[in-house]
Parts: sequence; C-alpha cells; structure tokens
Amino acid sequence: GQQLNQSPQSMFIQEGEDVSMNCTSSSIFNTWLWYKQEPGEGPVLLIALYKAGELTSNGRLTAQFGITRKDSFLNISASIPSDVGIYFCAGPLMKTSYDKVIFGPGTSLSVIP
Amino acid sequence: SQTIHQWPATLVQPVGSPLSLECTVEGTSNPNLYWYRQAAGRGLQLLFYSVGIGQISSEVPQNLSASRPQDRQFILSSKKLLLSDSGFYLCAWAKWEGTEAFFGQGTRLTVV
Repeated sequence: GQQLNQSPQSMFIQEGEDVSMNCTSSSIFNTWLWYKQEPGEGPVLLIALYKAGELTSNGRLTAQFGITRKDSFLNISASIPSDVGIYFCAGPLMKTSYDKVIFGPGTSLSVIP
Repeated sequence: SQTIHQWPATLVQPVGSPLSLECTVEGTSNPNLYWYRQAAGRGLQLLFYSVGIGQISSEVPQNLSASRPQDRQFILSSKKLLLSDSGFYLCAWAKWEGTEAFFGQGTRLTVV
C-alpha cells in the first residue's frame, strides 16, 4: 500500500544544535502535515503545508513542501530539551470517494542538555 | 474552539472481555472522525474512519469495530479482546476530508 518514509529513524543531539528530518513518498501529496508526539500523549499538529514549494515557520520550526510534492522537510533550530518527542509527517491519501490521513513511522528526537 | 475528549486514559482488561472506548468532539459539526492504534514506539495505524453518522469504514481486518451513533460521538468496541489488541488508541477529528486531523489524549489499553 501507499506509505510515507521518514528519516532519520532517531536522532540524539546536543542542546542548541539544529535538527533536520525529512519525509518521502512514492505518491504525490497535496497537503503535508507535521506532528509532534510526547510520551503518553496524542500527536499535536505543528505545521500544515498546502502548496508545492511552500515554506512555513512556527517559532523555531520550519517546514517545506517539496517541489515534487513527494517529500517534505522539517527543521528545528537551536534545539531545547522540550523538543524531545517523536515527529510524524502525515498526509491525506486520495481514495475513490474521500481522503484519509496516513502517517509516517516517525523520527524520534532526543536532546542532550 | 473545538475540543476532543477521549476516555478512559488507561485501561487494563483481561483477554476475552469486551471493550468500549468513547470519543466525543465539541465545537464543530459533521466532523470526520478517526480511530488510530499505535503500538509501542511505532507509527500510527488507521483503524476506522467515519464521514457521518452511521458511516464507518474499516481499514484493516481485526477484532475491533466502530460505531458513530451521534454526529460528534465515535465509539471503538470489541466483543472479546485479544492480547494483540494492546496498544495506544487515539481518536482524531478533521473538519473536512483529507485536512489536518486533531487528536485526543489517547487510551493506553493493556490486555492481560
């Protein structure tokens, strides 16, 4: 079936470092969503992207909608300990009558103080 | 503003017992509703979604069922739980098909 792939699978970084992660698919997406999930909580929407090439920021987070519409990137600048969590990309997968949102496997981020 | 409520937060059930998890959304009408399951340290697997009352689509064959008796209520059920049903269950809503989904706090289910 259709899948989203995320890399890296996990990251261990020092506080203050910048973070980059990406999400790719063999299918074209019209919307890209980035979520963060902390342990024991539901995912929280960080950024939504709607147009190829779009670059959107939310505080220290910046995400881009790849020009091919098959990928997206999330960057976190000057990481802090509260950035720890799993970051998921997601997108609506077109079906015959309606879309459903599918998720990538996630990138686990650990920040070392 | 819209809110989503999901309960209980944690649940421990014996194998073979029934299950009922409830999710309600406030502050919107006719939302799309979703049930996802997340195994430990893994991604989210879509189980069911609903675009309206009584309209349920199942993504994977399994021991679970879903119902939508009211516009903003979504229920996940099982007649007899299996060990493999353990996991973190998340309810979500979206305003329109294919748009960003907003999640509840999740239910941690442990089948023993």
